[in-house]
Amino acid sequence: DSGVTQTPKHLITATGQRVTLRCSPRSGDLSVYWYQQSLDQGLQFLIQYYNGEERAKGNILERFSAQQFPDLHSELNLSSLELGDSALYFCASSEKGGGNYGYTFGSGTRLTVV
Amino acid sequence: AQTVTQSQPEMSVQEAETVTLSCTYDTSESDYYLFWYKQPPSRQMILVIRQEAYKQQNATENRFSVNFQKAAKSFSLKISDSQLGDAAMYFCAYRTSGNTPLVFGKGTRLSVIA
Repeated sequence: DSGVTQTPKHLITATGQRVTLRCSPRSGDLSVYWYQQSLDQGLQFLIQYYNGEERAKGNILERFSAQQFPDLHSELNLSSLELGDSALYFCASSEKGGGNYGYTFGSGTRLTVV
Repeated sequence: AQTVTQSQPEMSVQEAETVTLSCTYDTSESDYYLFWYKQPPSRQMILVIRQEAYKQQNATENRFSVNFQKAAKSFSLKISDSQLGDAAMYFCAYRTSGNTPLVFGKGTRLSVIA
């Protein structure tokens, strides 16, 4: 157990639907990062939060949004889902220093859009 | 924008032998961090080793070591005495010293032959 908890582990939904992925960071970590990994591809950075505030944005679609709550857990909302959104979505967290020692990753949420 | 390139999509090694995975990166920064992550079939992202750019000494972690060539912007991973459990995707990653997100390469799939 890495200490980063992601739920659900698997999600199957239809095109056009909306889903919410949840992440609880490792205890004491203030930064949360969301990444998307399509089949056999590298990890694409989506968005970063630090202590409740958005810090950086990557190639995140307008249909996607995220937030970090006062208890530091984060949610990634994906709407108007398309077949191409099928992927593994990772959440990671890092210490106050911003990840100089690397990120701790959750086990991911596998999203399948049918 | 910083980029990370892994030029070997696939590699294979005999059990107990040594293999080297290549990684190059592009940056204009002088202070940054480099990482190798392992992703086994379970899909969990596991930190293997990290290197601080201001340190000339190459990092080592048991059977894993790096060859960091700052001027050449090269960061290769050497796995000694390869084991079946080393079979996985390996991702090279980079981040600057500020609170910026990790940038990943596309990965190298390593097979270990018994």
